[in-house]
Parts: sequence; C-alpha cells; structure tokens
Amino acid sequence: AQSVTQPDIHITVSEGASLELRCNYSYGATPYLFWYVQSPGQGLQLLLKYFSGDTLVQGIKGFEAEFKRSQSSFNLRKPSVHWSDAAEYFCAVAATDSWGKFQFGAGTQVVVTP
Amino acid sequence: DGGITQSPKYLFRKEGQNVTLSCEQNLNHDAMYWYRQDPGQGLRLIYYSQIVNDFQKGDIAEGYSVSREKKESFPLTVTSAQKNPTAFYLCASRPNRVDLGAFFGQGTRLTVV
Repeated sequence: AQSVTQPDIHITVSEGASLELRCNYSYGATPYLFWYVQSPGQGLQLLLKYFSGDTLVQGIKGFEAEFKRSQSSFNLRKPSVHWSDAAEYFCAVAATDSWGKFQFGAGTQVVVTP
Repeated sequence: DGGITQSPKYLFRKEGQNVTLSCEQNLNHDAMYWYRQDPGQGLRLIYYSQIVNDFQKGDIAEGYSVSREKKESFPLTVTSAQKNPTAFYLCASRPNRVDLGAFFGQGTRLTVV
C-alpha cells in the first residue's frame, strides 16, 4: 500500500531564510510525486510534480523539490521565504495504475516571522 | 473559466440528517475524488471515480455515499451513519494523465449542530 509521511507538523521560519519541508513515501515502484499548498479555508494548489527524468524539479512561486530514490524522499525547498509563503503544505503520491489514487501526507504548517 | 466548483461553501446540518455536497467540473476530466480534511490528519480519501457509473471506496468510506451519473458531477452524501461528520470536504478531479496531478475545488465546510 502506498503511504506518505511528512515528519514535521509545524515549521517556523524567518522571512528571507531558507525553507525545507520533508516528505518520505512508500510505494512499490516510483510513483507520481506532488507538492501542494493550501491557504486557510481554500482548496489545494499544485506547486510541482515529479515522475521521471531530472531529479530536481522546479515549481511555481520559487519552490523546488528533489527526488531521492535511495531515501524514498521528495523534499521541498525554497531559498528565500516570503511572508506570503505562510500556508500548509502537502506532499502526495499517486499510483501509476489507471486509477491514479492520490494519497496525501498529514501536512506541514509553515509560519513565517518578520 | 475551467475549474471545479463545490457548493455550498458552508453547510450546517442537524444531527441525524443526510446532506449532499455538490461537486461539478468543466475540465473534461474522467477521474474525480472526495477527500475529508481534519486538523493534523491531512486529506483522507473517501471515494473516487474513474469513469461514469463507476466508483471505488477510499480509506474512510463508511457513512458516505456517492454517485457518478454524469462526467461533470460527483456529489457526496454524508449520511446519518457518519459518526463525526463535521469537517472540511474537498473535491478533486484529474485528467487521464495522472502525472498532471489533481485539481481541487475550494472546499465545503460541514458543521453538524
């Protein structure tokens, strides 16, 4: 069965500092991997995705993520955080069969301080 | 504009009543999903559908029912059998290519009073 673990429930970062959010997954093969962001009371917006190719992927809003097969990880990074990055971030895996079932992690709440 | 529309945004229900949450998409996506979101638990899959007239139970289907009579619509009914229905409900759809990811509605917050 596929699963996703986000070890950090809550992260506080200063504006301008770097940010890294961790994600580990369990799946029989390489799944489709995604990072989403959610503002309070809103739906989820796709930041970036990975399936194959270059293991460092670029997304919107200056985010990037690195896939490491040996560690079953797909960590999200941003070099310099802006106050508007305060939100909840979800890592997700999707099965590569035709059902494409999406499984989400518990989320990481990011707080940005001045 | 193409997208996913969930309605209503806020819903109040008396205990013991069934209630139906609407989800409509005009993205021509085949697959649709319903998730429940509770603080600290991420998104948990309730039901998903790959094609019209077919759907599968997710991880927490008990107390919920769905239908998929049209490609555009995937309504979720929260029945009185759902013991703790107060939550934020998110509907999503995705194109045939899974690698393109899922697209989400703005959610419905259901409160049982």
